Amino acid sequence: GIQVEQSPPDLILQEGANSTLRCNFSDSVNNLQWFHQNPWGQLINLFYIPSGTKQNGRLSATTVATERYSLLYISSSQTTDSGVYFCAVHRAGKSTFGDGTTLTVKP
Amino acid sequence: NAGVTQTPKFQVLKTGQSMTLQCAQDMNHEYMSWYRQDPGMGLRLIHYSVGAGITDQGEVPNGYNVSRSTTEDFPLRLLSAAPSQTSVYFCASSYWQGDGYTFGSGTRLTVV
Repeated sequence: GIQVEQSPPDLILQEGANSTLRCNFSDSVNNLQWFHQNPWGQLINLFYIPSGTKQNGRLSATTVATERYSLLYISSSQTTDSGVYFCAVHRAGKSTFGDGTTLTVKP
Repeated sequence: NAGVTQTPKFQVLKTGQSMTLQCAQDMNHEYMSWYRQDPGMGLRLIHYSVGAGITDQGEVPNGYNVSRSTTEDFPLRLLSAAPSQTSVYFCASSYWQGDGYTFGSGTRLTVV
């Protein structure tokens, strides 16, 4: 099956800092999504981004499908950004998640 | 409220017991899926469905059954619970596979 690797596994930031999270995948995919899991366990869809760049407020994402990676940018981080960020790739009906990047934003 | 509803939120089972985790959505989504999340790991796909009457296996289907008799409901059945099935279970739905997923709030299952 497809392998999905996320880096870094852990990230600690001071409030206001910027960060870049990376997702590499081993084969061509139909779609890619980014999710945030908050400290209470709730999963929220951030981006559906099979290719190109999207922005939503302080967050943006870029997927380069031909090179099999995606990046999630968080600018001016806030304590509410803390949690785990997952990318998931989709192909032939099946989804494969990475193990996530755990982000801690300190006040 | 539109969304994905999972019940129960918490469950403790004894080894060998069976149970059904419920998942319902009211967004007329065709694609529904079940995942398990173990500590420190991402979500792993158990089963999925692309529409009523159609289901297929994911990455970790052993020990679980599903059915999809309506568009709205996608229950997950544990046939004979084992301690290895202790996990948090999430149900998700979307208009089609890979579209923006909406997740339920999860079921925390402990098998003793």
